Amino acid sequence: AQTVTQSQPEMSVQEAETVTLSCTYDTSESDYYLFWYKQPPSRQMILVIRQEAYKQQNATENRFSVNFQKAAKSFSLKISDSQLGDAAMYFCAYRGQGGSEKLVFGKGTKLTVNP
Amino acid sequence: DVKVTQSSRYLVKRTGEKVFLECVQDMDHENMFWYRQDPGLGLRLIYFSYDVKMKEKGDIPEGYSVSREKKERFSLILESASTNQTSMYLCASSGPVRGSPLHFGNGTRLTVT
Repeated sequence: AQTVTQSQPEMSVQEAETVTLSCTYDTSESDYYLFWYKQPPSRQMILVIRQEAYKQQNATENRFSVNFQKAAKSFSLKISDSQLGDAAMYFCAYRGQGGSEKLVFGKGTKLTVNP
Repeated sequence: DVKVTQSSRYLVKRTGEKVFLECVQDMDHENMFWYRQDPGLGLRLIYFSYDVKMKEKGDIPEGYSVSREKKERFSLILESASTNQTSMYLCASSGPVRGSPLHFGNGTRLTVT
């Protein structure tokens, strides 16, 4: 079974600085999808970024980018120019090949942004 | 935008009660999911459904059942609520395309006393 590990339960960053959240996963599949979700205090889970494993290029969405290392099974999230609104729980997630495959989540990293 | 609506934001029930958590999505998605979220444990899958009247057990189905009579609605049922089912429950849906992201509702915080 696939597993997702987030080794940092909590992280903090100064406003306007850059922070990297770590995620590793375990799978025997060659084709899969990886996601980062953000959950602010409002509880709404928001998709931050999505990566397709067969694509070499790292996904980016504005200030958010990933470092996808397929051989190392690593999928870290970099947040540049951190803003107060970035404070949230961040979850890394894995989804297999099938259309109805479930999403497997890590335990989350709580990010605090200091003014 | 996809909208996933959970009927209650907060719910307080007594031990032994039968509890229904309702979820509706408006995007004609085939797949629907129920997750439970607890501090330090992340999100754990309870049940999912890939079609009307179809269901699959997730990682922690014990003490729960589900119903999907219509494509847009997926209900989670606690047959006899217990205090260890106090938690945040998140519903999600996704389309059939490979690698589709899940779209989540706002969550229901259930307290069983």
